[in-house]
Amino acid sequence: DQQVKQNSPSLSVQEGRISILNCDYTNSMFDYFLWYKKYPAEGPTFLISISSIKDKNEDGRFTVFLNKSAKHLSLHIVPSQPGDSAVYFCAATTPNSGYALNFGKGTSLLVTP
Amino acid sequence: KAGVTQTPRYLIKTRGQQVTLSCSPISGHRSVSWYQQTPGQGLQFLFEYFSETQRNKGNFPGRFSGRQFSNSRSEMNVSTLELGDSALYLCASSLTQVPGGEQYFGPGTRLTVT
Repeated sequence: DQQVKQNSPSLSVQEGRISILNCDYTNSMFDYFLWYKKYPAEGPTFLISISSIKDKNEDGRFTVFLNKSAKHLSLHIVPSQPGDSAVYFCAATTPNSGYALNFGKGTSLLVTP
Repeated sequence: KAGVTQTPRYLIKTRGQQVTLSCSPISGHRSVSWYQQTPGQGLQFLFEYFSETQRNKGNFPGRFSGRQFSNSRSEMNVSTLELGDSALYLCASSLTQVPGGEQYFGPGTRLTVT
């Protein structure tokens, strides 16, 4: 069963605008959440993370928001750039699974000039 | 420093055969995890090794196995290959498996089973 869900397979945004990628999870034991970015023919690269004790974490143009009551997190990219075009994976971990990453199926972001 | 390397990058095997994939982690990283990526299931955790010991295992059949050597290099083996084993196999390394501990991924091995 998919414990981490990314319900939007794709998203298209104009350069300079905000990109919002969403992620939902079902396991209340998840205590750490991460976003990875993946370009074709490369492995995923770490982008940003957030602990369950926080509701926001910011790193440059990237901000992750966590809403534990809704079991929902989102990644905001402001402003979006063409180089941000990639597949974005949401992942979650719990000590119960030895902190193995549970991934969503990804959202393909296209930033158009 | 050098990233995670995986060999081979591409592999074609026949149903029923076995295959061994190799992963060299970033120097100093002692934790190596393996993931399978398929279009239908996405990225799924296979297992994790730390200091030559399997610490964690995902929900895969026993045909999938792995090991880690004293230099932290890791191999995974799939026996009696099935068509459904066609996937991208990704290896990731980290200093240790702790919350928020970034995992650094290799480029993957694309396995095709015919």
